[in-house]
Amino acid sequence: EDQVTQSPEALRLQEGESSSLNCSYTVSGLRGLFWYRQDPGKGPEFLFTLYSAGEEKEKERLKATLTKKESFLHITAPKPEDSATYLCAVQAGYYGGSQGNLIFGKGTKLSVKP
Amino acid sequence: SQTIHQWPATLVQPVGSPLSLECTVEGTSNPNLYWYRQAAGRGLQLLFYSVGIGQISSEVPQNLSASRPQDRQFILSSKKLLLSDSGFYLCAWRRDRNSPLHFGNGTRLTVT
Repeated sequence: EDQVTQSPEALRLQEGESSSLNCSYTVSGLRGLFWYRQDPGKGPEFLFTLYSAGEEKEKERLKATLTKKESFLHITAPKPEDSATYLCAVQAGYYGGSQGNLIFGKGTKLSVKP
Repeated sequence: SQTIHQWPATLVQPVGSPLSLECTVEGTSNPNLYWYRQAAGRGLQLLFYSVGIGQISSEVPQNLSASRPQDRQFILSSKKLLLSDSGFYLCAWRRDRNSPLHFGNGTRLTVT
């Protein structure tokens, strides 16, 4: 069964304290891995798509990396405005009847204190 | 650029009342459209998706239904709400099945 597990569930950092969020997945042929940021009471905001092992994407203080079994979202010198829930999702390589729908993890809630 | 509108932002409805949530997408044609429900600690659950007008697929059996009367309009409905229908409902679109999803800002539904 296709599955996505994110860890930790919650992470508290001091401003400037770099860290990483983990997304482990099992899927029958990965077609794409997606990272989203979600602020309280809002819809998820798309950050990155990764397609193959070894690929990296960067945006400001965020860098996403991908291996054959997991993805990391590295946060360098975070600021309080980086506080949010970060969601990971995978798309299987087969479409079948599900039209390649995304499978989401439960997210990591990040809090950055000044 | 493309934008997605979802309304209302919050809704409080009594048990047994009907429901209609609306979502529209601007700036694109023939998008794939989705309804998700997000419950605390349970992640995003796909409810319905549509790849074209009148084409609706349901992922889980439930008290809800969806319709796509126009190319860029997606509606989530219920004839009689249950307490268990409370949650955060999100509409999303993508250009095709190889593109990322883009979400609206959601509707917080409370059934009392």
